[in-house]
Amino acid sequence: SQQGEEDPQALSIQEGENATMNCSYKTSINNLQWYRQNSGRGLVHLILIRSNEREKHSGRLRVTLDTSKKSSSLLITASRAADTASYFCAGSQGGSEKLVFGKGTKLTVNP
Amino acid sequence: KAGVTQTPRYLIKTRGQQVTLSCSPISGHRSVSWYQQTPGQGLQFLFEYFSETQRNKGNFPGRFSGRQFSNSRSEMNVSTLELGDSALYLCASSLDSGITYEQYFGPGTRLTVT
Repeated sequence: SQQGEEDPQALSIQEGENATMNCSYKTSINNLQWYRQNSGRGLVHLILIRSNEREKHSGRLRVTLDTSKKSSSLLITASRAADTASYFCAGSQGGSEKLVFGKGTKLTVNP
Repeated sequence: KAGVTQTPRYLIKTRGQQVTLSCSPISGHRSVSWYQQTPGQGLQFLFEYFSETQRNKGNFPGRFSGRQFSNSRSEMNVSTLELGDSALYLCASSLDSGITYEQYFGPGTRLTVT
């Protein structure tokens, strides 16, 4: 069963705009990770936020976590055509490397 | 450092056959996990290995099995293939288990069952 549910399922924006993707999860987590996948290839780890953190930045990425609402958001600023990909959130409950993924948001950045 | 490698990258099999997929983790990584990705079910956890022991298993039938060798390389096997086993199979490695680290994924093996 999916742990995370991303919203929206698909997002189309223009280059230079910001993209925001949301993720909600069902059970308690130890940390939440965001991954990117380009067209049927392997996943690339973007950022990890631990359950005791509220916000984290990495380059053009900003992730927030609200454990009371069981939700997270990923913001990509100043998007580029190369950011076109599917983005997944995945929760980990600790004590195991098992990740439970959402269904992903398909982001299209138009040049 | 070399990334996670998976072989073969593409595979076509017939229903009823069996298949073995291989995964070599990043050097020094001791945990290897396997995931199945399909358009309908998304990314689903198959199993996780650490120090040659299966630590966790997803909700898949017994036709799906795996193992890990002393050098941390891992294989997964699917016996009596069904059409629904057509999927992208992804392997991920991480530095340790018990203390969760970021996972690094390989490019995947795309299995087509006809």
